[in-house]
Amino acid sequence: AQSVTQLDSQVPVFEEAPVELRCNYSSSVSVYLFWYVQYPNQGLQLLLKYLSGSTLVKGINGFEAEFNKSQTSFHLRKPSVHISDTAEYFCAVSDPTGNQFYFGTGTSLTVIP
Amino acid sequence: DSGVTQTPKHLITATGQRVTLRCSPRSGDLSVYWYQQSLDQGLQFLIQYYNGEERAKGNILERFSAQQFPDLHSELNLSSLELGDSALYFCASSLGRDGEQYFGPGTRLTVT
Repeated sequence: AQSVTQLDSQVPVFEEAPVELRCNYSSSVSVYLFWYVQYPNQGLQLLLKYLSGSTLVKGINGFEAEFNKSQTSFHLRKPSVHISDTAEYFCAVSDPTGNQFYFGTGTSLTVIP
Repeated sequence: DSGVTQTPKHLITATGQRVTLRCSPRSGDLSVYWYQQSLDQGLQFLIQYYNGEERAKGNILERFSAQQFPDLHSELNLSSLELGDSALYFCASSLGRDGEQYFGPGTRLTVT
């Protein structure tokens, strides 16, 4: 079975500062990688995904992530955060069939005015 | 709006009872996934159905069961409820196999 580790449970950051949310996965085979965002009292929304190809993936709301196979990481970044980015962020991995999905425990991003 | 609907939004019931949560996937999506989200366990994958058939199973208890109907809506049945079953239950759907899932707003279950 695969596992996903989100190294930081809480990340406070000042408005307009850059942020990186870390995600590592354990797998020796091909995987698909995802970042989801959950705003308060809402369901999860897909931010971006990596299936194949370019290791730098751009998503919605100015977020991007880089797939690093050698380090089995898929860190999420944004160069300048806004108050509205305050939310819970989940990293997820699936096998290539998409049948099994594993989520990390989430990182709570708080943007401070 | 993801296009995935879940009913009811909130459910309060007593221990030992049985409840049914309902999910309608996005139009055209064949896969339905169920997840449980609680403060202590995080987001846990329960089960996936694809076009009416069970496709994958995660951390689903034996007291829980699900099915997907010919019109592709799905129901999650929770029986002999315990206090620890209190959680948010999410349904998600996807068209195919690339894992891009669209989540519903969730059903908040409170067991008293």
